[in-house]
Amino acid sequence: GDSVTQMEGPVTLSEEAFLTINCTYTATGYPSLFWYVQYPGEGLQLLLKATKADDKGSNKGFEATYRKETTSFHLEKGSVQVSDSAVYFCALSDDSGAGSYQLTFGKGTKLSVIP
Amino acid sequence: DTEVTQTPKHLVMGMTNKKSLKCEQHMGHRAMYWYKQKAKKPPELMFVYSYEKLSINESVPSRFSPECPNSSLLNLHLHALQPEDSALYLCASSRGIERAEGYTFGSGTRLTVV
Repeated sequence: GDSVTQMEGPVTLSEEAFLTINCTYTATGYPSLFWYVQYPGEGLQLLLKATKADDKGSNKGFEATYRKETTSFHLEKGSVQVSDSAVYFCALSDDSGAGSYQLTFGKGTKLSVIP
Repeated sequence: DTEVTQTPKHLVMGMTNKKSLKCEQHMGHRAMYWYKQKAKKPPELMFVYSYEKLSINESVPSRFSPECPNSSLLNLHLHALQPEDSALYLCASSRGIERAEGYTFGSGTRLTVV
């Protein structure tokens, strides 16, 4: 079945540091890929997405490129802020059978940014 | 309107109580979902509704009973819950289960069973 593997957290960075959160996937089909962010006490927000190979999703300074050859979708940001402290989930959407697409989540990576 | 609204935000209930969680969206989405999220874990899918019909039930105990009265509204009825059912319950919606799209999530209901 489909699966998503994220780097283990927590990740602690100083403000303005470079961020990379690794994500690799296994899928039987040709999935769409997503990054969600969950701030403390809140639901999940879609951060960015990519639907085909070599697509780059970007939002709020975050970027991720759909790499089919390495089955990866790593999240990057050039300069993190304290307000980026949250849990980040990598996810994929693939045909689970009979034309029904479901989201599969990674375990999440907690990011803490310190001033 | 680009939101999924969940009420209540917090709920404390006894093991003999009956309560309901409510979820509403006005984006014209035809698929709606219930997820359960325990602390420091990813969301776990419970139910999927597609065009107001139950499409997927991920072997959820019968003490959780979903209902989709119309295309904008999704309820989760709770009865005889256990303390281990305490969690954040998230509702989500998407344009349809036939599309590989991201979901729009609500802020969740934090449920405590005492």
